[in-house]
Amino acid sequence: GAVVSQHPSRVICKSGTSVKIECRSLDFQATTMFWYRQFPKKSLMLMATSNEGSKATYEQGVEKDKFLINHASLTLSTLTVTSAHPEDSSFYICSARPAGGPTQYFGPGTRLTVL
Amino acid sequence: DQQVKQNSPSLSVQEGRISILNCDYTNSMFDYFLWYKKYPAEGPTFLISISSIKDKNEDGRFTVFLNKSAKHLSLHIVPSQPGDSAVYFCAASARFNKFYFGSGTKLNVKP
Repeated sequence: GAVVSQHPSRVICKSGTSVKIECRSLDFQATTMFWYRQFPKKSLMLMATSNEGSKATYEQGVEKDKFLINHASLTLSTLTVTSAHPEDSSFYICSARPAGGPTQYFGPGTRLTVL
Repeated sequence: DQQVKQNSPSLSVQEGRISILNCDYTNSMFDYFLWYKKYPAEGPTFLISISSIKDKNEDGRFTVFLNKSAKHLSLHIVPSQPGDSAVYFCAASARFNKFYFGSGTKLNVKP
């Protein structure tokens, strides 16, 4: 149980385009989903917290207009990187937290490369 | 300001021996702790958790110890297996809020 999927697993795009990454909880309902970014040899950096049906809460220094987060249902959250630039290239990971529990379950991650 | 620290970036252990991974935290409000295992290019996999009301939690070969006075937790893997080779992250949260992650320890279990 507690499986989280992400799609796509890898994406390469041109600078200036937008990329959407989906995060789905497959066997549980997630009232809260989280989006992380991992830089090489660094820890996971929380970008934003999204609660179903409400606006996401962004961490300090994360541009909300650049990283659009939508949590339209209890099983789906999307992260859209708008007008992507090479510095946005990174490994993006989502996690989902079931209602009533503290543990987060992570997706497999999405490797974004912006040319 | 890093509230969760894993001061050992890497650890090498012989197969069959004990692996001990350490994690320190600074925020006394943290009351829930997790250990995750991560392979390259994959998302972290939940391993084991512990709440601040306990000082030990065991699950198979994995045991997490919490020393609240020292603000320290450790993960013991006994016996270590080559398949345990991965990066291990500890994470801490206060009152089910966001988690703070350590920088990870890369464990290498040698056959």
